Amino acid sequence: GAGVSQSPSNKVTEKGKDVELRCDPISGHTALYWYRQSLGQGLEFLIYFQGNSAPDKSGLPSDRFSAERTGGSVSTLTIQRTQQEDSAVYLCASSSYFSPNTDTQYFGPGTRLTVL
Amino acid sequence: GENVEQHPSTLSVQEGDSAVIKCTYSDSASNYFPWYKQELGKRPQLIIDIRSNVGEKKDQRIAVTLNKTAKHFSLHITETQPEDSAVYFCAANYGQNFVFGPGTRLSVLP
Repeated sequence: GAGVSQSPSNKVTEKGKDVELRCDPISGHTALYWYRQSLGQGLEFLIYFQGNSAPDKSGLPSDRFSAERTGGSVSTLTIQRTQQEDSAVYLCASSSYFSPNTDTQYFGPGTRLTVL
Repeated sequence: GENVEQHPSTLSVQEGDSAVIKCTYSDSASNYFPWYKQELGKRPQLIIDIRSNVGEKKDQRIAVTLNKTAKHFSLHITETQPEDSAVYFCAANYGQNFVFGPGTRLSVLP
């Protein structure tokens, strides 16, 4: 079946503008994760959704970052007043959830954000 | 919270040799440990995972071992091939969330 998809694949924006990044998880996956990966670096956790709620927002780097998920499916990550240090690849992942076990995450292709 | 360390940060091996990457974690409640391979410019792909109820798991040339007492787990790649060259990330779950190690850049030299 279809995997995790993200759009846009690339986004170039000017400093100070707002951007929205979209993630479509695998159908039926209740858990959705956002990560940020700077060039040559590891995966930085941003936020996690279980259904439409976000039990863990601890990774959001500032109040310019927000995310929502509606209908237990699509999620958008919004960055307001973008700064150059926001430039990175933003990765989305989804997994099914069968309590009490954690299940495998599947990653989307990422959105490469460049802030000029 | 959970903290995951990963060593080495870079690893070069000759084709055909074995490669071992080690990770440690801090939260004794973690019970799921996946390994991801990320080729340049591509998304991380799961290559193998292990749950806390087993000590070892193998899939062809790849194996993972887990020592819950010591809180460490390792990825073993045997008979390495040039296409194994990539960055490898370990991870441990923290509740339903995941914490990733910083990655190991593996280079397999022909």
